Amino acid sequence: EVQLVESGGGLVQPGGSLRLSCAASGFTFSTYEMNWVRQAPGKGLEWVSYIGTSGSPIYYADSVKGRFTTSRDNAKNLLYLQMSSLRAEDTAIYYCARVRGGVPGRLIDYWGQGTLVTVSS
Amino acid sequence: DIQMTQSPSSLSASVGDRVTITCRASQDISYYLAWYQQKPGKVPKLLIYAASTLQSGVPARFSGSGSGTDFTLTISSLQPEDVATYYCQKYNGVPLTFGGGTKVEI
Repeated sequence: EVQLVESGGGLVQPGGSLRLSCAASGFTFSTYEMNWVRQAPGKGLEWVSYIGTSGSPIYYADSVKGRFTTSRDNAKNLLYLQMSSLRAEDTAIYYCARVRGGVPGRLIDYWGQGTLVTVSS
Repeated sequence: DIQMTQSPSSLSASVGDRVTITCRASQDISYYLAWYQQKPGKVPKLLIYAASTLQSGVPARFSGSGSGTDFTLTISSLQPEDVATYYCQKYNGVPLTFGGGTKVEI
């Protein structure tokens, strides 16, 4: 069974940093592209970042470019999102999401349960 | 970047009604369109991909159509368990933009 379990969320002050992790199991993590997607309270879904199977390429939404860094450790089946210079508008549930293999495009087929990041003083 | 526009933003219908949600892309995305269902407090669930392909396990009352810039999600007979917010998403390349969502109520 595919499982994606995020951790690392919490309360952080504006300007602060936080690192999220996503532990993957139930599939061969190293062969799947991954994403981070977020959802502000009561709002819609916003794609944040994409990472290829070997750690490249990496892409970011304009709203987080230069502040967030995505990486992965295929040996440990872990996906990371390093967030810095956090702003109130970064407050959201952060989901890690898997890209389906074997189909054209970057279709998201599995989502983790999410971890809540709250940026507030 | 390509923008994804959903309409309506919310709707209320009765059990058994046919419900249609539309999604428009600002540029041609071919068939690279997915629909997700998100029930309150839950994680998004993939319903349809490639504009019209039903994900395994999804009830047949859900269907999708369209290509290029105009797409439709149809629920042929609305059920109480279909209360949710529905999102379209383009996935032909980054950014993987989502539509604003359509909240379906009974």
